[in-house]
Amino acid sequence: SQQGEEDPQALSIQEGENATMNCSYKTSINNLQWYRQNSGRGLVHLILIRSNEREKHSGRLRVTLDTSKKSSSLLITASRAADTASYFCATASPNDYKLSFGAGTTVTVRA
Amino acid sequence: GAVVSQHPSRVICKSGTSVKIECRSLDFQATTMFWYRQFPKQSLMLMATSNEGSKATYEQGVEKDKFLINHASLTLSTLTVTSAHPEDSSFYICSALRGPNQPQHFGDGTRLSIL
Repeated sequence: SQQGEEDPQALSIQEGENATMNCSYKTSINNLQWYRQNSGRGLVHLILIRSNEREKHSGRLRVTLDTSKKSSSLLITASRAADTASYFCATASPNDYKLSFGAGTTVTVRA
Repeated sequence: GAVVSQHPSRVICKSGTSVKIECRSLDFQATTMFWYRQFPKQSLMLMATSNEGSKATYEQGVEKDKFLINHASLTLSTLTVTSAHPEDSSFYICSALRGPNQPQHFGDGTRLSIL
């Protein structure tokens, strides 16, 4: 079942700009993960952030986690046309390995 | 990096046909795999958890007799959509879990179209 909500639903930016999307969830988590999905393809893992971590970086990606607010954000800096995709957050519960996905944010980067 | 292969990538068949989808983890042993369904412009909905050597665990509302899952080895899980009908048309995606507190590794999905 889905427990995450993401905003915005869609984002259109110019190449070179930053893109920020947010994810909120409802229950306790073990970790929170961000994935990217290109149209008609599977999901690609971007970053996993554990519940005891507050911030994580990977290349042009920066993820924050605020467990007190049950929210996370994904920042893509200096966006490129190739970043055009749907981005999903997913939470892993403390009790099992199942993921609950958010509704996703569709990002379009204009050249 | 880890690679999960899903096959076939696209299936078009007549109503009443049974369709088998394979999910293989190519470079690690996966005791747990997952099957998801995704409708257009929507998120992934977990259908079932596939456990090697034991019965799959289905999510509420998913018919186990309709969606048969077999996890016969540590690298292969199969989903069979039995007697498929047009309402079963969807994008089906599998994933494999390397270990606890690790990300899932996803296949490229199977587009199933039932005529």
